[in-house]
Amino acid sequence: GDSVTQMEGPVTLSEEAFLTINCTYTATGYPSLFWYVQYPGEGLQLLLKATKADDKGSNKGFEATYRKETTSFHLEKGSVQVSDSAVYFCALSDRNTGNQFYFGTGTSLTVIP
Amino acid sequence: GAGVSQSPSNKVTEKGKDVELRCDPISGHTALYWYRQSLGQGLEFLIYFQGNSAPDKSGLPSDRFSAERTGGSVSTLTIQRTQQEDSAVYLCASSLPGGLADTQYFGPGTRLTVL
Repeated sequence: GDSVTQMEGPVTLSEEAFLTINCTYTATGYPSLFWYVQYPGEGLQLLLKATKADDKGSNKGFEATYRKETTSFHLEKGSVQVSDSAVYFCALSDRNTGNQFYFGTGTSLTVIP
Repeated sequence: GAGVSQSPSNKVTEKGKDVELRCDPISGHTALYWYRQSLGQGLEFLIYFQGNSAPDKSGLPSDRFSAERTGGSVSTLTIQRTQQEDSAVYLCASSLPGGLADTQYFGPGTRLTVL
């Protein structure tokens, strides 16, 4: 069945460091891929998405490229800020499974000044 | 417009009691999802409604859990004979229909504590 595997945390970085959070997926069809973010005390919100292979989603300095050949959608940011401290969830939605969403377990990021 | 709303925001109950959690999706969103987020855990899928189709209940952890969606809008998640391990944040999300998967919009969640 469909699934998402993401890098376990927690991750602690200094401000302005480079961030990578790995995410790989398994899907029977042609999924759309998402990164959601949950800031402390807030609900989940969409960070970025990509709907087909080689698409790059980007938002707030974060990027992720849909790599079909490696079934990956790694999240990157060149220079993190304290305000990026949050839990990040990778997710997929697959038309073959009626557009049900599958989420990874989340990766907690703490950025220290 | 208004986002997804959930009520109550917090619920404390005693073991063995039944609870009902409510979700109001965004108007026009035909897809509705329930998830559970336990402390330190990821999102656990519970149930998925899409339009008038039969719901996907494959994520419900036991027969104590049930959900319904009336009139294709509001949804209620019911947990019967609550247990301490049911303590978690219950999240509802909705999305537009469409041939392509669309973005989910999450509510603020209901924090359930079973004593």
